Amino acid sequence: EAGVTQSPTHLIKTRGQQATLRCSPISGHTSVYWYQQALGLGLQFLLWYDEGEERNRGNFPPRFSGRQFPNYSSELNVNALELEDSALYLCASSLGGRSYEQYFGPGTRLTVT
Amino acid sequence: DQQVKQNSPSLSVQEGRISILNCDYTNSMFDYFLWYKKYPAEGPTFLISISSIKDKNEDGRFTVFLNKSAKHLSLHIVPSQPGDSAVYFCAASGGSQGNLIFGKGTKLSVKP
Repeated sequence: EAGVTQSPTHLIKTRGQQATLRCSPISGHTSVYWYQQALGLGLQFLLWYDEGEERNRGNFPPRFSGRQFPNYSSELNVNALELEDSALYLCASSLGGRSYEQYFGPGTRLTVT
Repeated sequence: DQQVKQNSPSLSVQEGRISILNCDYTNSMFDYFLWYKKYPAEGPTFLISISSIKDKNEDGRFTVFLNKSAKHLSLHIVPSQPGDSAVYFCAASGGSQGNLIFGKGTKLSVKP
């Protein structure tokens, strides 16, 4: 069974631009989570989508947004990129509702220059 | 304010010995705890979990212990193998949130 997939693997953008990151969950999983891992920091929760709805949001500015599509895949958009947005962005999926065990993709490394 | 703390940034253990990784939490609403293992340039891999109604869960070489009164959990790896060398993250969930709250990780090095 295929795991969580993310694209692209690497993304290089200039300050002020927009970045779009994509995630496909494990088949049968309806919840998708986004986390940021900046250098030297742990995983910081960004967004949680379940059944197409945003269920919870971490302590990040509104320029971090996303959506979940009918096939449960998800997109994370980061507008007006800043240098400190450079990080590994990880997507995880789980069975719907409050299923605790989340399974992670390999991540997208975003570099803002 | 860190709700999940892993106070040891690194741990070095000899192959065959026991590795003990520790994690403390502050939020009484947490009712489920997980351990993840992460290699460089890869996403975290789920290892083992424990519900707050239990005090121990075992899976092969991995055992997680939960002490609710002390708000402390630990991961024991016996015997440790060089392939276990990675960063280990403790995570917690509970209340109305669905997301996990992670500690900053402990880098385990298992020496042959």
